[in-house]
Amino acid sequence: AQKITQTQPGMFVQEKEAVTLDCTYDTSDQSYGLFWYKQPSSGEMIFLIYQGSYDEQNATEGRYSLNFQKARKSANLVISASQLGDSAMYFCAMREVPGNTGKLIFGQGTTLQVKP
Amino acid sequence: ETGVTQSPTHLIKTRGQQVTLRCSSQSGHNTVSWYQQALGQGPQFIFQYYREEENGRGNFPPRFSGLQFPNYSSELNVNALELDDSALYLCASSGQGGGETQYFGPGTRLLVL
Repeated sequence: AQKITQTQPGMFVQEKEAVTLDCTYDTSDQSYGLFWYKQPSSGEMIFLIYQGSYDEQNATEGRYSLNFQKARKSANLVISASQLGDSAMYFCAMREVPGNTGKLIFGQGTTLQVKP
Repeated sequence: ETGVTQSPTHLIKTRGQQVTLRCSSQSGHNTVSWYQQALGQGPQFIFQYYREEENGRGNFPPRFSGLQFPNYSSELNVNALELDDSALYLCASSGQGGGETQYFGPGTRLLVL
């Protein structure tokens, strides 16, 4: 069965520094998609970045980059130059490609706190 | 903002009652997925609607049901509410039957007493 594991329940980072949030996944499928979402205390899930399993380059979106290591089945999120507004819960998710629903499977999340 | 809206924002019900939650999808999207997020957990997939038909379902009992309308907005109905149904309910809209990135609404917080 497909599974996402986030082993860091909580992380602290100093403002303006970089931080890496870990994500490992388990799947027997060859084709899949990996996502990171941010969830502030308000509750809305905000899409950050996407990596397809066949993408050779690591995805980047502004201050967010995804360190994709396919052989190790890891998809870590790197946030550069942290800002106070980055304090939130972060979820890694995998999309099932077979079955066609695009159902997302989420990890347990990591709470990030940015210190001034 | 994603353009995905949900109503109501908060709701309090008692055990055994029924509830309807609503979601309006982003312009141009024809697919709505619903997720349940218990406190301190990641979201769990309930089901997805694509072009007014159910297009996949997670491990939720039949008392969780839904609809999608011609304008692609959607409803989630939960009958015979249980205490464990207390959660944040998130809807997400996407194009092409879920094959594209899902964009989430702000959620509905349901408390069952």
